[in-house]
Amino acid sequence: QKEVEQDPGPLSVPEGAIVSLNCTYSNSAFQYFMWYRQYSRKGPELLMYTYSSGNKEDGRFTAQVDKSSKYISLFIRDSQPSDSATYLCAPDMRFGAGTRLTVKP
Amino acid sequence: GAVVSQHPSRVICKSGTSVKIECRSLDFQATTMFWYRQFPKQSLMLMATSNEGSKATYEQGVEKDKFLINHASLTLSTLTVTSAHPEDSSFYICSAIDSGGRDTQYFGPGTRLTVL
Repeated sequence: QKEVEQDPGPLSVPEGAIVSLNCTYSNSAFQYFMWYRQYSRKGPELLMYTYSSGNKEDGRFTAQVDKSSKYISLFIRDSQPSDSATYLCAPDMRFGAGTRLTVKP
Repeated sequence: GAVVSQHPSRVICKSGTSVKIECRSLDFQATTMFWYRQFPKQSLMLMATSNEGSKATYEQGVEKDKFLINHASLTLSTLTVTSAHPEDSSFYICSAIDSGGRDTQYFGPGTRLTVL
């Protein structure tokens, strides 16, 4: 079993939609949970991180961690075409495969 | 499922020595691998693109003579930090593209380099 599972998509949504991106992980020892955004031919850029279960909000982005079920989510509200990228979850810097998101105008 | 390994996971070396980091795709072939370096704000900087059988493509500002990349086979790329100095201390991560699997990018677990 891989340590981090993430559906690579691709995921396509219309502009303004709410996007839900998810990961599961197997190692209960993971302590910090990160989401990265990666544009083509660039390094992954840190979007959000959290150390505990619950929600953390930053503008249109909300990160959610449920340690009991080892489930991580990232929600994007009012999605924009500029949000089109690959989103990677990375608990304790163990990267998921990334979900390719396209937001269509 | 697709797995990428890195070796070693941690290395401590003296200033002036060279360090080799291996990146392997364990159950798929990867004609393209990437090398990243993590900076203090946790974002990853793309250093170079490693292509099997050809020279690596380095990003602007990355010294190709300092960071030697060899992609000798479809499952192995190596990054050698030559004449390492303390400022080279960082977390280095590789990723590999599974060209047979929707071009999905799989990351290695990273290598922590400390140069004394």
